[in-house]
Amino acid sequence: DAGVIQSPRHEVTEMGQEVTLRCKPISGHNSLFWYRQTMMRGLELLIYFNNNVPIDDSGMPEDRFSAKMPNASFSTLKIQPSEPRDSAVYFCASSLRDEQFFGPGTRLTVL
Amino acid sequence: RKEVEQDPGPFNVPEGATVAFNCTYSNSASQSFFWYRQDCRKEPKLLMSVYSSGNEDGRFTAQLNRASQYISLLIRDSKLSDSATYLCVVDRSGGYNKLIFGAGTRLAVHP
Repeated sequence: DAGVIQSPRHEVTEMGQEVTLRCKPISGHNSLFWYRQTMMRGLELLIYFNNNVPIDDSGMPEDRFSAKMPNASFSTLKIQPSEPRDSAVYFCASSLRDEQFFGPGTRLTVL
Repeated sequence: RKEVEQDPGPFNVPEGATVAFNCTYSNSASQSFFWYRQDCRKEPKLLMSVYSSGNEDGRFTAQLNRASQYISLLIRDSKLSDSATYLCVVDRSGGYNKLIFGAGTRLAVHP
C-alpha cells in the first residue's frame, strides 16, 4: 500500500519566491495534518483538515502561509513570499483514527 | 514552559543495555499518549500507544502516571537498530487527534 506521498522531497528557493508543497494522503483517511520541523522548535502542527475542511489553523505562522485541500486525495501548503526562516522539513500526515501516518517530508531551504 | 518536556539526551548505551526515557506533560486535560520513533532524516512513526495500566510490546514497555503527568518508555536488551530519536506525544484535543510532540530524546546504541 502506498503511504502518504509528498512532493517535492527537496526544494531550494530564493527569498521572496512562492513555494508550493504537495501531499497525497493515504486513501480512505479522513484527516490530514501539515507539520513543520526545525531543530529549534521541534515538530509543530500548522493546520489540520477533517473531511477536506480546515478545522484548526492556529499553528499557521502568518499570512504568508496558506493551505488547501480541494479533495480527499490532495492538499497543498503554499508559502508566499518565502523567507529564510521558513527553512525546515515540512511533513504531511493523515489518519483515520488514532495513529497518524507521516509522509517522507519536504526539506525546504530558502536562501 | 513547553507542553511536553523530554530529556534531549543523547543516551549512549551499549548493545544489550536497558534504557529508560521520561516525559512530562503540562495539560492535565490530555487524553491520549504515544511514543513515536524518528530515524535520522526520516519521518516520525508510531512506536506504541501508552495506556494508564501500562503496556508492553516485546522489548518496549510504556507507562503513564496521570497524577504526576508523567510518561515513560523502557527499552530492554537494546539493539543497534534502536538508535533513533524517541518522541513523546500527547493528544490533548479529546476529539480530533491534535498531537503535541516533545522535542525528542536521542538514543545511540553502540556495539
